[in-house]
Amino acid sequence: EVQLVESGGGLIKPGGSLRLSCAASGFTFSNDWMSWVRQAPGKGLEWVGRIKSKTDGGTTDYAAPVKGRFTISRDDSKNTLYLQMNSLKTEDTAVYYCTTEERWNGWGQGTLVTVSS
Amino acid sequence: QAVVTQEPSLTVSPGGTVTLTCGSSTGAVTSGLYPYWFQQKPGQAPRTLIYDTSNKHSWTPARFSGSLLGGKAALTLSGAQPEDEAEYYCFLSYSGARVFGGGTKLTVL
Repeated sequence: EVQLVESGGGLIKPGGSLRLSCAASGFTFSNDWMSWVRQAPGKGLEWVGRIKSKTDGGTTDYAAPVKGRFTISRDDSKNTLYLQMNSLKTEDTAVYYCTTEERWNGWGQGTLVTVSS
Repeated sequence: QAVVTQEPSLTVSPGGTVTLTCGSSTGAVTSGLYPYWFQQKPGQAPRTLIYDTSNKHSWTPARFSGSLLGGKAALTLSGAQPEDEAEYYCFLSYSGARVFGGGTKLTVL
């Protein structure tokens, strides 16, 4: 069974940085493309970005609102996905979910990031 | 960036049938945009119901089905149950990006 556990969320001031982690188990993490999705309070789902598997090049793509500020990386030896968030804005306040893109058959429970002064 | 559109809200009677749609600002939705459908209940993480237009996961109730209909992706619920009341999101894949629709709040009443 796919299990994804996000961590690293919290309260951060505008302009600050935060790194989220997503620990994966129950599947072959290194084979899967992985995505981050966020949901602002009371709002819909928003795709943040994706990283391909290393065998497929390990490249990343990002949504326009976060491009240049957020970086997705992975450590296949630790079965862990990361989201480095820099230059945070109040509009980045959201629950952040990690997911596997293999039929999107697993979602974590999310970690809340609050950007506020 | 493409915009994906969904009905903001729909209501279905218990036991009834309802179709939710997912449109693209770039034109007709085709299987090449790999439509997905997700269900989200309050306070819970999303759950994937349908992938690649019409494929179901093992946990997807049989009463849900996905298709292409009139240039859009469609999610049809046949025989609605009270527990199907939720927010439903679609997304489409455009080259390197995935774009979610705004969601449809489905009420079973």
